[in-house]
Amino acid sequence: NAGVMQNPRHLVRRRGQEARLRCSPMKGHSHVYWYRQLPEEGLKFMVYLQKENIIDESGMPKERFSAEFPKEGPSILRIQQVVRGDSAAYFCASSPRGAEGTEAFFGQGTRLTVV
Amino acid sequence: QQQVKQSPQSLIVQKGGISIINCAYENTAFDYFPWYQQFPGKGPALLIAIRPDVSEKKEGRFTISFNKSAKQFSLHIMDSQPGDSATYFCAASTAGANNLFFGTGTRLTVIP
Repeated sequence: NAGVMQNPRHLVRRRGQEARLRCSPMKGHSHVYWYRQLPEEGLKFMVYLQKENIIDESGMPKERFSAEFPKEGPSILRIQQVVRGDSAAYFCASSPRGAEGTEAFFGQGTRLTVV
Repeated sequence: QQQVKQSPQSLIVQKGGISIINCAYENTAFDYFPWYQQFPGKGPALLIAIRPDVSEKKEGRFTISFNKSAKQFSLHIMDSQPGDSATYFCAASTAGANNLFFGTGTRLTVIP
């Protein structure tokens, strides 16, 4: 049973470009969470999705960031017109149900560098 | 505003010693307190978790102590090993919540 798969592992984008981060949850998991980790900091919640629905996006910046979890395929975190401050590690976690924070398994992350 | 405060930022322990990491919170609605272990280049992995109906939980060399009145909880690693060297994060969430609030992490180094 493969774990949470994120790709790419590393992504370099120039300022103003778009970044697309992908997350395939564990088999049988229909709930996905995205977190951002800045250097020397803990993870900060961004968004919680179920298949085809955004449940909680209270941690998402109001502009340039969007997320989706289509019926088929991975969850996508999209960052438009990236800026240097977007450089961070982005982690996806999945759970088999609305887990109240329990049983959430994390992927290895995508490290975004904006140059 | 940091919902969960974690200390120390870094910790160096001799092999065989006890590693202690502390966390404090303000939100009394929190009712789930997990600890995550993260190795460089990897995602956080759930280590051990506790709910406030118990004051202590032990799994192998790892123990969580929970003080509800003080709104504090801590991770104790007994007989620390070099392989325990990693960054440890405490976290908290509330019933029905969709997200975890993480501490800022403690970088543990266990020296042989």
